[in-house]
This record gives sequence, C-alpha cells and structure tokens, in this order.
Amino acid sequence: AQTVTQSQPEMSVQEAETVTLSCTYDTSESDYYLFWYKQPPSRQMILVIRQEAYKQQNATENRFSVNFQKAAKSFSLKISDSQLGDAAMYFCAYRSTNYGQNFVFGPGTRLSVLP
Amino acid sequence: ETGVTQTPRHLVMGMTNKKSLKCEQHLGHNAMYWYKQSAKKPLELMFVYSLEERVENNSVPSRFSPECPNSSHLFLHLHTLQPEDSALYLCASSQEGRASYGYTFGSGTRLTVV
Repeated sequence: AQTVTQSQPEMSVQEAETVTLSCTYDTSESDYYLFWYKQPPSRQMILVIRQEAYKQQNATENRFSVNFQKAAKSFSLKISDSQLGDAAMYFCAYRSTNYGQNFVFGPGTRLSVLP
Repeated sequence: ETGVTQTPRHLVMGMTNKKSLKCEQHLGHNAMYWYKQSAKKPLELMFVYSLEERVENNSVPSRFSPECPNSSHLFLHLHTLQPEDSALYLCASSQEGRASYGYTFGSGTRLTVV
C-alpha cells in the first residue's frame, strides 16, 4: 500500500519570503500522480498543483512550484513571495493511475505567514 | 463556486438525534466520497461511491449510513452519534478513470455532537 509522509507539522514564513514544504511517499508503482492541496480556514480543500510521475519537468503554477525527485520519492512544494492568503493547511496526496484507487493523503503541514 | 456544495455548513446534534448531511456536485463526475477530518488526525476516508454503487466502506460504524441516489447527490445519514464523532465531514467528487483530475472538495460540514 502507498503511504505519504509530511514531516513538518507546522511551518512559518515571513511575508514575501520563500518557503518549502516537504513530502515523501512510498510506492511500488511507476506511474502515478502527486498533488498538493491547500485548506484555508474556510475549510475547502483547493488543488494547488499536480505532477505526473512520468514527466521529469517540475510543475509550476504562478508562485507555486514543486521539486519532484522520483528516485528519492520526494515531492516538495515551494511557495515564492509568500502572501498572507497562503496561510493554510497543506496536504500532499498520491493517486495511482489504476482504476478505482483512491487518494492517499499525508497528515498535512500548517503554514503560518508572518506580516 | 466550488462545484461541490455541502449542507449544512454547521450542525449541532444530540446523541439521540437523527440528521443528514448533503453533498451535491454538478461537475459530471462519476465518483463521490465522504471523508472525516478530526483535529490532529489524518483525513479518514469513510465511503466511496463509484457510478452510484458503494465500493468501499472503511469499517465505519453503522451509526453512519451513506446514500447515493444519483451521480450528483450524496448523503450521510447520522443517528445515535457519539461525542468522538464531532469533526469536519468533507465530501469530494472525481472522475474515475481520470487520475490526473484529482478530487474536487466541498467546504465541509462542521459537526458537533453534544
């Protein structure tokens, strides 16, 4: 079974600075997808960024980018120019490409942004 | 507009009450999920419906009863709950067969059992 680990329960960053959230996973599959979700105080989980395992190029979405290291099974999220609205819980998630396989979520990292 | 709507947003119920949570999606997705999110705990998958059939029940107590009357609606019926059932209940939907799409979540129902 796949597992997802986020070793940082809490992190903080100064506004306008850069922060990196860590995620590692374990799988025996070669093809899969990885996601980062953000859950602000409004509670809705919002998709931030996704990465296809067979693509070597790291995904980017505006100020959000990932560092995907397939061999190391590492998938970190970098937030550049942090804003107060980035404060939230961040969940790393794994999804197999096999039909019927559900998401596997990490425990989450709570990010605080300091003004 | 999230695409997945959950009602009510907040619910306080006694241990002897019966209530229902509702989830609705108009994204054309064919799978829907109930998750439980408790403080200091990982997300717990409760139920999965794919093509309106329940395909997974992760040993959830029988006091939680799901219902999926069609591909757009999902309910979670609650009865004789315990205080430890207080949590945020999240509904999500996805398109099975399209792993890249991810899940779309609702804003959750904050349940308090007194």
